[in-house]
Amino acid sequence: DAEITQSPRHKITETGRQVTLACHQTWNHNNMFWYRQDLGHGLRLIHYSYGVQDTNKGEVSDGYSVSRSNTEDLPLTLESAASSQTSVYFCASSGDTSYNEQFFGPGTRLTVL
Amino acid sequence: AQSVTQPDIHITVSEGASLELRCNYSYGATPYLFWYVQSPGQGLQLLLKYFSGDTLVQGIKGFEAEFKRSQSSFNLRKPSVHWSDAAEYFCAVAPNSGYSTLTFGKGTMLLVSP
Repeated sequence: DAEITQSPRHKITETGRQVTLACHQTWNHNNMFWYRQDLGHGLRLIHYSYGVQDTNKGEVSDGYSVSRSNTEDLPLTLESAASSQTSVYFCASSGDTSYNEQFFGPGTRLTVL
Repeated sequence: AQSVTQPDIHITVSEGASLELRCNYSYGATPYLFWYVQSPGQGLQLLLKYFSGDTLVQGIKGFEAEFKRSQSSFNLRKPSVHWSDAAEYFCAVAPNSGYSTLTFGKGTMLLVSP
């Protein structure tokens, strides 16, 4: 069965370190998304991609970057981790039209000390 | 830009009672509308979606939602809640042309009492 996976599931890091969160999907979807989920804020979009070599900034992109070198993967990089980036991160993918549902990964809980 | 409001942060419902979760959106035209559910420690799962046609939409797990254009609402309902329905529920909207990103509400946490 097709799926979307994230790794690691839990990560503890220190302020200032670079961190990369992996997202891999086997749906063959062109669209991929990264969200962060914080209490009281719901899900906020960080970055998204509509296909290979395409990346776009979302609502809360400062301090994050993504690259899309193939269809299956969209890694999220925190260039210099900050305590404000402690959060749960979700990756999602979807088909090519707005009414296609987004399929979500299980999430990565990141703690920045 | 579109926005979504879920006015209830928490709702407690007795098992077997009916449920209605509210969702209001702001958008210049009729958007695509979605309800997702998130169980503890899990990712989000689509319950149902509306993009055109019949304004009463049926979803998985016995849920339904009604689109009311005049009220800019897309409320989620279930006639009889089960303990396993305890979760967080998110309403989301997307523009109805081309492809664009989803905008999520802040969620409503459903607690089910015995």
